[in-house]
Amino acid sequence: EVVLAQSPGTLSLSPGEGATLSCRASQNVDRNFLAWYQQKPGQAPRLLIYHASSRATGIPDRFSGSGSGTDFTLTISRLEPEDFAVYYCQHYVTPVLSFGGGTRVEIK
Amino acid sequence: EVQLVESGGGLVQPGGSLRLSCAASGFAFTDFWMHWVRQAPGRGLEWVSRIKTDGTYTTYVDSVKGRFTISRDNAKNKSYLQMDSLRAEDTAVYFCAGGDSGYLGAWGQGTLVTVSS
Repeated sequence: EVVLAQSPGTLSLSPGEGATLSCRASQNVDRNFLAWYQQKPGQAPRLLIYHASSRATGIPDRFSGSGSGTDFTLTISRLEPEDFAVYYCQHYVTPVLSFGGGTRVEIK
Repeated sequence: EVQLVESGGGLVQPGGSLRLSCAASGFAFTDFWMHWVRQAPGRGLEWVSRIKTDGTYTTYVDSVKGRFTISRDNAKNKSYLQMDSLRAEDTAVYFCAGGDSGYLGAWGQGTLVTVSS
């Protein structure tokens, strides 16, 4: 079983600032089978990044993913007002998939 | 437009059963793996189950194995989650999602399942 630990739990930032979110896996995530999602209150999650660094269709280029092995990062270069939300990483390297606990990005 | 619409949620007593449905439109259903993901009130996302495009392969999170069954009907563009022996800890919003075998590119708005006496 792959366990994903996300940090920090909460990030307090101002619009225009950059954000760096971390996702650490308990074991190697082969082939970079890791995705990132954004979820706003009362809404379904939205796929941002898959295969660790590929942006999903329609996702702005201020969102980027990086990393390999057990350490992955989601970077938001300049926060827009609509980017304040909860972000989850998710692996798909084993038959049983799982999500990290999430990072909340809130307005400072 | 890709659309997934869940139905079948509601209030059920512990030990009871419920069948969730997910109706898909706007894309080639037979090209997509289908997944169910749940979110307990105020909590994070938990992946529950997935089914391959042709319905021949399924996997489950350990906490629902033996109690939940995922299925699909490609002729009707629908996916299902049969939930038996429900427990209080199964209370959550259940999302239907479609995509690759692993990452989930399309999501429904969710249906609430409450397990309580």
